[in-house]
Formats: sequence, C-alpha cells, structure tokens
Amino acid sequence: EAGVAQSPRYKIIEKRQSVAFWCNPISGHATLYWYQQILGQGPKLLIQFQNNGVVDDSQLPKDRFSAERLKGVDSTLKIQPAKLEDSAVYLCASSLGGPHTDTQYFGPGTRLTVL
Amino acid sequence: LAKTTQPISMDSYEGQEVNITCSHNNIATNDYITWYQQFPSQGPRFIIQGYKTKVTNEVASLFIPADRKSSTLSLPRVSLSDTAVYYCLVGITGGGNKLTFGTGTQLKVEL
Repeated sequence: EAGVAQSPRYKIIEKRQSVAFWCNPISGHATLYWYQQILGQGPKLLIQFQNNGVVDDSQLPKDRFSAERLKGVDSTLKIQPAKLEDSAVYLCASSLGGPHTDTQYFGPGTRLTVL
Repeated sequence: LAKTTQPISMDSYEGQEVNITCSHNNIATNDYITWYQQFPSQGPRFIIQGYKTKVTNEVASLFIPADRKSSTLSLPRVSLSDTAVYYCLVGITGGGNKLTFGTGTQLKVEL
C-alpha cells in the first residue's frame, strides 16, 4: 500500500513570499490532516478535512494560511505571505475514518525555511 | 489549550524495558490514546492505540488507568534502533475537541 505523499520535501523562501505544499493521502482515506511541527516540539494540528469538508481549522492562522482538499482526495496548504516564524516542517496525515479513533498515517513532511 | 505533557528525555540500555508516561488531564470522553514514534526527518509512525486498561501488540504495551488522565507506553526490550522521539496523541476538551500531540520524549538507547 502506498503511503502519504508530500511535495516538495524542502523549500526555502524569503519572508513575505508565498509558498504551497501538496499532499496525496492514502487511497480511500476520508480524513486528511495538516500539522505544523516547529523544531523541538510536537506537531500542532492546523486543519482537518473529512472528505471535502473542514472539520477543524481553529488553529489555522487564517490571515495568511489557507488549505483546500480537491474532490476529497489531494490537498494543498498555502502560506501567503510567509513570516520568519513559519519556518517548520509541515506534515500531512490521513486516516481511514474518524479522527479521534482511527490511526493516522503520516507523510515525510515538507521542511520550510523562511529567511 | 491544556497541554499534554511528557518527560523531555529518557536514557536506557539495550535489552531494558522503558516506560514513558503521558499526562492528559482533559482527555475527551470518546477519544482513543495513540502513541507515535518519530525519527529525524521523518513523519511520526504509529506504535499502539488504546481506550482503557491495557493493550499489547508485537512491539509495545499501553497501560491506561481507569480515569484515563494519563497513559504509559512500555517498550519491553529496547535496542539501539528504538532511539527516537515518542509522542502521545489525544483529543483534548475545552473549546472543542482538539487533537493534541504531547510534548514528546527523546529516548536514547545505548549499548
């Protein structure tokens, strides 16, 4: 079974620039998550989709971050404009069903450096 | 948002049993407790999941007391390859039911 795919793996940008990350979940997984992991900390949930709909985006900085899940499959996370404090690894995960009971499978992450 | 806390680090030797505890006072009623392992430059990897009492699989055991305000991951006989960061993941109440990772425990295993 193919795992969660993410691209790019690494990205370096200057502050105030825009950046986008892509995630392809495991086939058939209804729930998709984006996490931000700052160096030395645990992942922080940014947004959670169930099929096409947003379940929880309470910790997404909506003035600069946006995310969408096209046709309930792939997802993109965008930052515009980026700030220095956005430097982190952005992890995508998916699960077959409900977020609070089902196992999440993680991609390798995208490491973002904002200069 | 209430924190889910873990010891920052633990040291062990090969062949020993390691127990890592996570404190989650505000765990949501219907949420499971899940533990993940993370190596550098990789995403977290599932280890074990449980709701109450004790769960065991081929790599670990998970002990959950009746009040579910904490959980303990037990790795029976660690090896060098178990050196990694370990996280618990629970749903926390208060302003909604939010999925929250613990603060993480860096386990270092030596010969």
